Amino acid sequence: DQQVKQNSPSLSVQEGRISILNCDYTNSMFDYFLWYKKYPAEGPTFLISISSIKDKNEDGRFTVFLNKSAKHLSLHIVPSQPGDSAVYFCAANGSGNTGKLIFGQGTTLQVKP
Amino acid sequence: EPEVTQTPSHQVTQMGQEVILRCVPISNHLYFYWYRQILGQKVEFLVSFYNNEISEKSEIFDDQFSVERPDGSNFTLKIRSTKLEDSAMYFCASSEVVYRGTYGYTFGSGTRLTVV
Repeated sequence: DQQVKQNSPSLSVQEGRISILNCDYTNSMFDYFLWYKKYPAEGPTFLISISSIKDKNEDGRFTVFLNKSAKHLSLHIVPSQPGDSAVYFCAANGSGNTGKLIFGQGTTLQVKP
Repeated sequence: EPEVTQTPSHQVTQMGQEVILRCVPISNHLYFYWYRQILGQKVEFLVSFYNNEISEKSEIFDDQFSVERPDGSNFTLKIRSTKLEDSAMYFCASSEVVYRGTYGYTFGSGTRLTVV
Protein backbone atom coordinates (compact mmCIF):
# COMPACT_ATOMS: atom_id res chain seq x y z
CA ASP A 1 0.00 0.00 0.00
CA GLN A 2 1.94 3.00 -1.29
CA GLN A 3 -0.75 5.67 -1.23
CA VAL A 4 1.68 8.29 0.04
CA LYS A 5 5.24 8.27 -1.26
CA GLN A 6 8.34 10.25 -0.49
CA ASN A 7 10.86 9.19 -3.09
CA SER A 8 13.87 10.99 -1.66
CA PRO A 9 15.19 9.25 1.45
CA SER A 10 17.56 12.10 2.24
CA LEU A 11 18.33 15.73 1.46
CA SER A 12 21.28 17.90 2.43
CA VAL A 13 21.23 21.70 2.20
CA GLN A 14 23.35 24.57 3.42
CA GLU A 15 22.14 26.75 6.26
CA GLY A 16 20.21 29.77 4.96
CA ARG A 17 19.22 28.09 1.69
CA ILE A 18 15.86 26.64 0.75
CA SER A 19 14.93 23.04 1.58
CA ILE A 20 12.31 21.44 -0.66
CA LEU A 21 10.80 18.14 0.42
CA ASN A 22 8.50 16.33 -1.96
CA CYS A 23 5.60 13.95 -1.57
CA ASP A 24 3.33 12.15 -4.05
CA TYR A 25 0.01 10.47 -3.44
CA THR A 26 -2.28 8.22 -5.41
CA ASN A 27 -5.68 8.58 -3.75
CA SER A 28 -7.62 11.58 -5.05
CA MET A 29 -10.07 11.24 -2.12
CA PHE A 30 -7.58 12.54 0.45
CA ASP A 31 -8.85 15.85 1.73
CA TYR A 32 -6.05 16.98 4.03
CA PHE A 33 -2.31 16.61 3.90
CA LEU A 34 0.04 17.10 6.81
CA TRP A 35 3.75 17.35 7.40
CA TYR A 36 5.35 15.98 10.55
CA LYS A 37 8.89 16.40 11.78
CA LYS A 38 10.61 13.70 13.82
CA TYR A 39 13.80 13.84 15.84
CA PRO A 40 15.52 10.63 16.98
CA ALA A 41 13.96 9.08 20.10
CA GLU A 42 10.94 11.37 19.86
CA GLY A 43 7.47 11.03 18.39
CA PRO A 44 6.41 12.84 15.21
CA THR A 45 5.58 16.53 15.75
CA PHE A 46 2.96 18.28 13.65
CA LEU A 47 4.41 20.99 11.43
CA ILE A 48 1.88 22.26 8.89
CA SER A 49 -1.13 21.05 6.92
CA ILE A 50 -3.06 21.92 3.79
CA SER A 51 -6.60 21.31 2.68
CA SER A 52 -7.18 19.75 -0.72
CA ILE A 53 -9.18 22.84 -1.73
CA LYS A 54 -6.11 25.06 -1.38
CA ASP A 55 -2.85 25.14 -3.26
CA LYS A 56 -0.67 26.88 -0.68
CA ASN A 57 -0.41 27.27 3.07
CA GLU A 58 2.26 29.27 4.81
CA ASP A 59 3.41 29.35 8.44
CA GLY A 60 6.54 31.34 9.11
CA ARG A 61 9.48 29.69 7.40
CA PHE A 62 7.36 26.74 6.28
CA THR A 63 5.19 26.68 3.17
CA VAL A 64 3.35 23.72 1.75
CA PHE A 65 2.28 23.65 -1.90
CA LEU A 66 -0.32 21.29 -3.30
CA ASN A 67 -0.70 20.38 -6.97
CA LYS A 68 -3.86 18.29 -7.14
CA SER A 69 -3.66 17.54 -10.84
CA ALA A 70 -0.20 16.06 -10.34
CA LYS A 71 -1.11 14.53 -6.94
CA HIS A 72 2.01 16.14 -5.56
CA LEU A 73 2.81 18.29 -2.57
CA SER A 74 5.99 19.90 -1.37
CA LEU A 75 7.26 21.48 1.82
CA HIS A 76 9.53 24.51 1.50
CA ILE A 77 11.66 25.65 4.40
CA VAL A 78 13.20 29.08 3.96
CA PRO A 79 15.72 29.84 5.31
CA SER A 80 16.86 26.43 6.48
CA GLN A 81 18.47 26.23 9.91
CA PRO A 82 20.62 23.49 11.47
CA GLY A 83 17.80 22.83 13.99
CA ASP A 84 15.59 21.80 11.08
CA SER A 85 17.70 18.66 10.65
CA ALA A 86 15.23 15.82 11.24
CA VAL A 87 13.11 13.25 9.43
CA TYR A 88 10.12 14.81 7.67
CA PHE A 89 7.02 12.75 7.04
CA CYS A 90 4.23 13.60 4.66
CA ALA A 91 0.83 12.24 5.72
CA ALA A 92 -2.73 12.25 4.43
CA ASN A 93 -6.08 11.76 6.12
CA GLY A 94 -7.52 8.35 5.40
CA SER A 95 -11.06 8.05 4.19
CA GLY A 96 -13.83 8.04 6.74
CA ASN A 97 -13.93 10.02 9.94
CA THR A 98 -11.71 7.96 12.24
CA GLY A 99 -8.63 10.15 12.21
CA LYS A 100 -6.42 7.61 10.47
CA LEU A 101 -3.28 9.08 8.93
CA ILE A 102 -1.39 7.47 6.07
CA PHE A 103 2.31 8.30 6.16
CA GLY A 104 5.04 8.39 3.58
CA GLN A 105 8.41 6.79 4.19
CA GLY A 106 10.05 10.00 5.36
CA THR A 107 12.91 12.18 4.13
CA THR A 108 15.92 12.83 6.31
CA LEU A 109 16.91 16.49 6.06
CA GLN A 110 20.39 17.59 7.04
CA VAL A 111 21.06 21.31 7.22
CA LYS A 112 24.77 22.05 7.29
CA PRO A 113 26.06 25.13 9.13
CA GLU B 1 2.63 22.15 26.85
CA PRO B 2 0.48 19.02 27.34
CA GLU B 3 2.18 15.76 26.43
CA VAL B 4 1.28 12.21 25.57
CA THR B 5 3.31 9.96 27.85
CA GLN B 6 4.35 6.44 26.92
CA THR B 7 5.89 3.78 29.14
CA PRO B 8 8.19 1.98 29.04
CA SER B 9 10.53 3.68 26.61
CA HIS B 10 12.11 0.34 25.73
CA GLN B 11 10.79 -3.17 26.28
CA VAL B 12 12.55 -6.42 25.48
CA THR B 13 10.45 -9.55 25.46
CA GLN B 14 10.77 -13.15 24.44
CA MET B 15 8.88 -14.42 21.43
CA GLY B 16 5.49 -15.77 22.44
CA GLN B 17 5.20 -13.59 25.52
CA GLU B 18 2.47 -11.02 26.10
CA VAL B 19 3.34 -7.36 26.29
CA ILE B 20 1.34 -4.32 27.32
CA LEU B 21 2.39 -0.91 26.11
CA ARG B 22 1.02 1.99 28.10
CA CYS B 23 0.04 5.49 27.14
CA VAL B 24 -1.38 8.44 29.03
CA PRO B 25 -3.09 10.69 26.48
CA ILE B 26 -3.66 14.40 26.99
CA SER B 27 -6.40 14.73 29.59
CA ASN B 28 -9.15 16.43 27.56
CA HIS B 29 -8.56 14.37 24.42
CA LEU B 30 -11.21 11.94 23.30
CA TYR B 31 -9.64 10.16 20.35
CA PHE B 32 -6.73 7.78 20.72
CA TYR B 33 -4.46 6.04 18.24
CA TRP B 34 -1.65 3.57 18.00
CA TYR B 35 0.91 3.64 15.20
CA ARG B 36 4.09 1.69 14.73
CA GLN B 37 7.33 2.16 12.83
CA ILE B 38 9.50 -0.79 11.97
CA LEU B 39 13.13 0.31 11.77
CA GLY B 40 13.79 2.14 8.51
CA GLN B 41 10.19 1.96 7.35
CA LYS B 42 7.25 4.31 7.39
CA VAL B 43 4.94 5.06 10.29
CA GLU B 44 1.92 2.73 10.00
CA PHE B 45 -1.54 3.14 11.43
CA LEU B 46 -2.69 0.36 13.74
CA VAL B 47 -5.93 1.44 15.39
CA SER B 48 -8.11 4.38 16.34
CA PHE B 49 -10.30 4.38 19.46
CA TYR B 50 -13.17 6.58 20.56
CA ASN B 51 -15.91 6.26 23.15
CA ASN B 52 -14.49 2.95 24.40
CA GLU B 53 -14.67 1.40 20.98
CA ILE B 54 -12.34 0.74 18.09
CA SER B 55 -13.38 3.07 15.28
CA GLU B 56 -10.94 1.75 12.69
CA LYS B 57 -8.15 -0.80 12.58
CA SER B 58 -5.61 -1.79 9.98
CA GLU B 59 -4.77 -5.21 8.58
CA ILE B 60 -1.79 -5.33 10.94
CA PHE B 61 -4.13 -5.15 13.94
CA ASP B 62 -5.10 -8.81 13.99
CA ASP B 63 -6.46 -10.97 16.82
CA GLN B 64 -3.11 -10.82 18.62
CA PHE B 65 -3.63 -7.11 19.28
CA SER B 66 -6.09 -5.41 21.58
CA VAL B 67 -6.57 -1.94 23.03
CA GLU B 68 -8.17 -0.80 26.23
CA ARG B 69 -8.83 2.32 28.20
CA PRO B 70 -9.00 0.68 31.63
CA ASP B 71 -9.33 3.64 33.97
CA GLY B 72 -10.17 6.82 32.09
CA SER B 73 -6.59 8.01 31.89
CA ASN B 74 -4.50 5.17 30.46
CA PHE B 75 -4.72 3.76 26.97
CA THR B 76 -3.02 0.42 26.46
CA LEU B 77 -1.96 -1.75 23.55
CA LYS B 78 -1.64 -5.45 24.28
CA ILE B 79 0.10 -7.96 22.06
CA ARG B 80 -0.87 -11.44 23.24
CA SER B 81 1.84 -13.60 21.75
CA THR B 82 4.67 -11.55 20.36
CA LYS B 83 6.47 -12.46 17.15
CA LEU B 84 9.88 -11.34 15.96
CA GLU B 85 8.23 -9.14 13.34
CA ASP B 86 6.42 -7.18 16.07
CA SER B 87 9.73 -5.52 16.88
CA ALA B 88 9.15 -1.85 16.17
CA MET B 89 8.69 1.58 17.71
CA TYR B 90 5.09 1.95 18.86
CA PHE B 91 3.62 5.44 19.04
CA CYS B 92 0.51 6.47 20.87
CA ALA B 93 -1.32 9.62 19.78
CA SER B 94 -4.37 11.52 20.92
CA SER B 95 -6.59 14.32 19.72
CA GLU B 96 -9.45 16.38 21.07
CA VAL B 97 -11.52 15.90 17.96
CA VAL B 98 -11.07 14.06 14.69
CA TYR B 99 -9.05 16.73 13.01
CA ARG B 100 -9.64 17.16 9.34
CA GLY B 101 -6.08 18.31 8.99
CA THR B 102 -6.25 21.72 10.61
CA TYR B 103 -4.10 20.54 13.45
CA GLY B 104 -2.13 17.38 13.81
CA TYR B 105 -2.43 14.88 16.57
CA THR B 106 -0.06 14.84 19.52
CA PHE B 107 2.23 11.84 19.50
CA GLY B 108 4.08 10.33 22.41
CA SER B 109 7.81 9.62 22.28
CA GLY B 110 7.22 5.96 21.59
CA THR B 111 8.03 2.56 23.08
CA ARG B 112 10.72 0.57 21.37
CA LEU B 113 9.65 -3.08 21.47
CA THR B 114 12.32 -5.68 20.84
CA VAL B 115 11.18 -9.29 20.50
CA VAL B 116 13.99 -11.82 20.88
